[in-house]
Amino acid sequence: DTAVSQTPKYLVTQMGNDKSIKCEQNLGHDTMYWYKQDSKKFLKIMFSYNNKELIINETVPNRFSPKSPDKAHLNLHINSLELGDSAVYFCASSQGTGGPYEQYFGPGTRLTVT
Amino acid sequence: GNSVTQMEGPVTLSEEAFLTINCTYTATGYPSLFWYVQYPGEGLQLLLKATKADDKGSNKGFEATYRKETTSFHLEKGSVQVSDSAVYFCALRADYKLSFGAGTTVTVRA
Repeated sequence: DTAVSQTPKYLVTQMGNDKSIKCEQNLGHDTMYWYKQDSKKFLKIMFSYNNKELIINETVPNRFSPKSPDKAHLNLHINSLELGDSAVYFCASSQGTGGPYEQYFGPGTRLTVT
Repeated sequence: GNSVTQMEGPVTLSEEAFLTINCTYTATGYPSLFWYVQYPGEGLQLLLKATKADDKGSNKGFEATYRKETTSFHLEKGSVQVSDSAVYFCALRADYKLSFGAGTTVTVRA
């Protein structure tokens, strides 16, 4: 059973388009995250939701909008895509918001904007 | 703020060599520390963790000890295999966030 799944795995689109990435976890966790990994493998947190409530919102352009319809899902919608948005986006989940709780990562979505 | 500084790579080793990847951190309070591994084309997996000073995390032959006095969490493995080729990330958890180091690419040659 896949713990954290993301769709699609690859996404190729043109500048100016709007796209969404979906994430689902079947671990019963109450906290979910979106990370961006750039071409140099650097990982940076973008957003975090706890029980469907936004708790972390890093300095991310407002073209990016997360949506959590329930505790098991966290989707990422991106408007007006730009070349600089090309990256691998990872979803993750954890049992709690702090302390020693491990984060479980999805396989990633490679977004290429042309 | 919280940050992690990790040894720059890439690191290339022969099989059965000793691997060490240095990691130091800056944080207020008492963060939890983690090593994650990313195999080619995959997401990150937790390799090991330590939640308080002097804790030693270990898994798959890898070890790291939480050293508060030197604010370090260096990763070591005594004898690497080709299957250990991956990117390794040191991370700390504080203020609800996981902050990652830049990652170290390790390649093990047969």
